[in-house]
Formats: sequence, structure tokens, C-alpha cells
Amino acid sequence: NAGVTQTPKFQVLKTGQSMTLQCAQDMNHEYMSWYRQDPGMGLRLIHYSVGAGITDQGEVPNGYNVSRSTTEDFPLRLLSAAPSQTSVYFCASRGLRDRYGYTFGSGTRLTVV
Amino acid sequence: AQTVTQSQPEMSVQEAETVTLSCTYDTSENNYYLFWYKQPPSRQMILVIRQEAYKQQNATENRFSVNFQKAAKSFSLKISDSQLGDTAMYFCAFMKHERETSGSRLTFGEGTQLTVNP
Repeated sequence: NAGVTQTPKFQVLKTGQSMTLQCAQDMNHEYMSWYRQDPGMGLRLIHYSVGAGITDQGEVPNGYNVSRSTTEDFPLRLLSAAPSQTSVYFCASRGLRDRYGYTFGSGTRLTVV
Repeated sequence: AQTVTQSQPEMSVQEAETVTLSCTYDTSENNYYLFWYKQPPSRQMILVIRQEAYKQQNATENRFSVNFQKAAKSFSLKISDSQLGDTAMYFCAFMKHERETSGSRLTFGEGTQLTVNP
């Protein structure tokens, strides 16, 4: 049981480049979320999804796009990377009636130069 | 909107001693969950303990226990018999008990870096 898998683990981008952070879960969870972690700010919600075909914005959505074409996958797209997007990114998932909170991936450390 | 505050950016404790990490939150909701997550240097987010707001009894998980004060909106984590492996960043988090179509998002505090000294 792999849980939540994020790829890549590390990435360096140049300003203006685009890329997609991948997230996949094998637990048939309905809810999936993307967070970014910055020093002194905890984790902040970027986008989330309550099921295939349904996404919504979180606290800090600007500069990021998401889609949810399947239950398993929830990719995060950076269309034109900026240094302010340098951060650690976490994907998390939860079942519809799961009261134990979210299961997290191992994170992606992204540096934009 | 919910807010979660951890007022201790850093704490340290001697091995085998007890330490308490503080967390306060602000919400108008009556039905919700509270969590403590541990993030060791490996970066993995690990659930330590959770509390359901409707339960008056404080949650315990082995050496970890909470002091949940609903009226005061306080949710502290006590670690007994501290071990070197407890060294990590600890995050307090809040989750509303939302309707199924709303997603039940997590709101995190800023984190407390705990160092256990030998």
C-alpha cells in the first residue's frame, strides 16, 4: 500500500518555466489537497478537490492550476514559475468518512531561481 | 475563517523529561477535529494524535497526550519521557466537520520546533 506518492522529490526551475508536480493515491480517497510549507507560516492550502472533476481554490491559489480527472491523481501545475513559489509542496488525501485527518505525501522541495 | 496559533517557535527538553507544546485556535464552529502532526527532518508529516471536539475526554497515544479545553479554545500536546526521536517540528491543525461536499480542509499553526537533548 503506497499511500500518497509525490514526484519529484526535488526540483530547481528557472523563473518563467512551467512544470507539474504529480500526486497519486491508491486508497480510493475522495478528498485531495495541495499545501505549501514556508518557514514560520505552517502549511497553507493551495487547491483542493472533493472528487473527480471537482476542484476549488484554497488560501493561496494564485500562480497554480489543478485538475482532477481521476480519483487517484491530482496534479499541481505552475504555469510560469516565480521565486515566490520557492517552497516545499505537500499533497494530502482523505476518505469521505475518515475522521483521522489527512494522509500526506513526502513532499516536493521546489526552488525557483 | 479558522485560525490556529502556536506561540512557541522553538522549545527544547532533556531526554526522559516531559514537555508541553501550546496551541490555541479560533472558530465559531461547534463540531470539529484537532490534530497534532510531527515533521521530522525527513520532511514526512506524521499524525501524532487527534481529538474530536464533542468528546470531553482528552486523547492519549502512548507517551503523547493532549489537554483539550474547548471553552478556552486551547489544545496543548504533552510528551512524556521524551526521546531523541521526538526531535521534530510539531504542527497543530484544525479541521471543521463539514458536509461531505465541502472537503473539510486543514488549517495549520505556524509550528513549534522541538529539540530533545541527550
